[in-house]
Amino acid sequence: DQQVKQNSPSLSVQEGRISILNCDYTNSMFDYFLWYKKYPAEGPTFLISISSIKDKNEDGRFTVFLNKSAKHLSLHIVPSQPGDSAVYFCAAADSGGGADGLTFGKGTHLIIQP
Amino acid sequence: NAGVTQTPKFQVLKTGQSMTLQCAQDMNHEYMSWYRQDPGMGLRLIHYSVGAGITDQGEVPNGYNVSRSTTEDFPLRLLSAAPSQTSVYFCASRMDSANTEAFFGQGTRLTVV
Repeated sequence: DQQVKQNSPSLSVQEGRISILNCDYTNSMFDYFLWYKKYPAEGPTFLISISSIKDKNEDGRFTVFLNKSAKHLSLHIVPSQPGDSAVYFCAAADSGGGADGLTFGKGTHLIIQP
Repeated sequence: NAGVTQTPKFQVLKTGQSMTLQCAQDMNHEYMSWYRQDPGMGLRLIHYSVGAGITDQGEVPNGYNVSRSTTEDFPLRLLSAAPSQTSVYFCASRMDSANTEAFFGQGTRLTVV
């Protein structure tokens, strides 16, 4: 049973437009959420995070929104650039739980079209 | 600024062989983890450690052993490799469990034939 779901395996967006990547979770104990970006043949790199006490966090072109009642978060990238083409993973953690590690979604492959 | 270092980057094993994937971090992080990435499956947690001398199982631990004798190192052992263990393996470290991001190594691509 997947606890973190990214239902879009791929997303194609024109350069300069907004990219919106979505993520849903089922475990109500999750209280910390992260987005990672991954290029081929490299390890995932941290992009942005949000704690469950907030509903929005911004860092430059990247904004993450959290809707706790819907158990949904989204990553907005504005404006999208060619270097943003990568696989994006949503991850969640229960900071008070006994098990460590992050629970990841399957990823969304973002393709920025020139 | 090394961060998380994994060796080797590539490895081919025959079924039944054993090997150890190395992972070292220089950030003095307490928490370290091993993940595997398979096509269409995202990253799945194999084993993790919350400090030297303490390890525990993740989502997919079968066929793997770990130990944590120092804060810096967290090796992953395959005792008898199977084709189902063909995957890309990532080691990660975090400062602690509370609201901190994990830093990943570059990965080890393992093929078991």
